[in-house]
Amino acid sequence: GAGVSQSPSNKVTEKGKDVELRCDPISGHTALYWYRQSLGQGLEFLIYFQGNSAPDKSGLPSDRFSAERTGGSVSTLTIQRTQQEDSAVYLCASSRGSPTQYFGPGTRLLVL
Amino acid sequence: AQSVTQLGSHVSVSEGALVLLRCNYSSSVPPYLFWYVQYPNQGLQLLLKYTTGATLVKGINGFEAEFKKSETSFHLTKPSAHMSDAAEYFCAAAGPVGNEKLTFGTGTRLTIIP
Repeated sequence: GAGVSQSPSNKVTEKGKDVELRCDPISGHTALYWYRQSLGQGLEFLIYFQGNSAPDKSGLPSDRFSAERTGGSVSTLTIQRTQQEDSAVYLCASSRGSPTQYFGPGTRLLVL
Repeated sequence: AQSVTQLGSHVSVSEGALVLLRCNYSSSVPPYLFWYVQYPNQGLQLLLKYTTGATLVKGINGFEAEFKKSETSFHLTKPSAHMSDAAEYFCAAAGPVGNEKLTFGTGTRLTIIP
C-alpha cells in the first residue's frame, strides 16, 4: 500500500517569502505528526493532530509556523516570512492511533 | 520531560562484525521505544519497536534490540554487519499513552569497513 507522501520534495525560497509544505498520510491513519530535522537541532517535534481533537502545537518554534489538517487527512505546514534558520528537512509521519509512526520522505527546504 | 541519549555519533565496524548501537532513555515511566534508520536523502524507516510484552524485539534486516528497564537502555544489535547497513540510526521514545510524539536521540552514523 501507499506510504506517507510529501510534496514538494525540495523547495528553495528567498528569505521573507511564505512556503507551504504538504503531507498525505497513510489511508486510515488518524494521527499525523510534523517534525523538523536540522544540522544544529537534530530531529524535533513540531505539531501533532489526532482525529478531531485540538492539535498539540507545543513544538512550533514561533508564530510564523502553523499547520492545518483538512478532512482528517491531508495536512499543510505553512511557514510565513521564512528565515535562513528555517532551512531544514521537514518530515511528516502518520499512525493508526498507536505510538508507531511511519514517516514520509521529507521536504528539503532551503531559505536563501 | 523525556530524553534519549545515543552514545557515539559515529560508529565504524568491519563487514561481518557485530554491530552495537547504544541508546538510553530518561523517563519515570517506561516509554515506547523505537529504532529508525535513515539512508541518505530519505525519510526515516522503522527498524523495530518495543511497546509491551517481550523485551527482546526483532526487526527488519537482522537487527534486534533489548529493552532493559533496570538500565534504562534499548541498545540495537546485529550479529554480522553488511555493507548495506551503512546509514544513520536514530533511537526514539514516545509515551506514555496520550503523549505519542517522538523524542529522538542525536543519531549514530554507522560506517561499514570492507
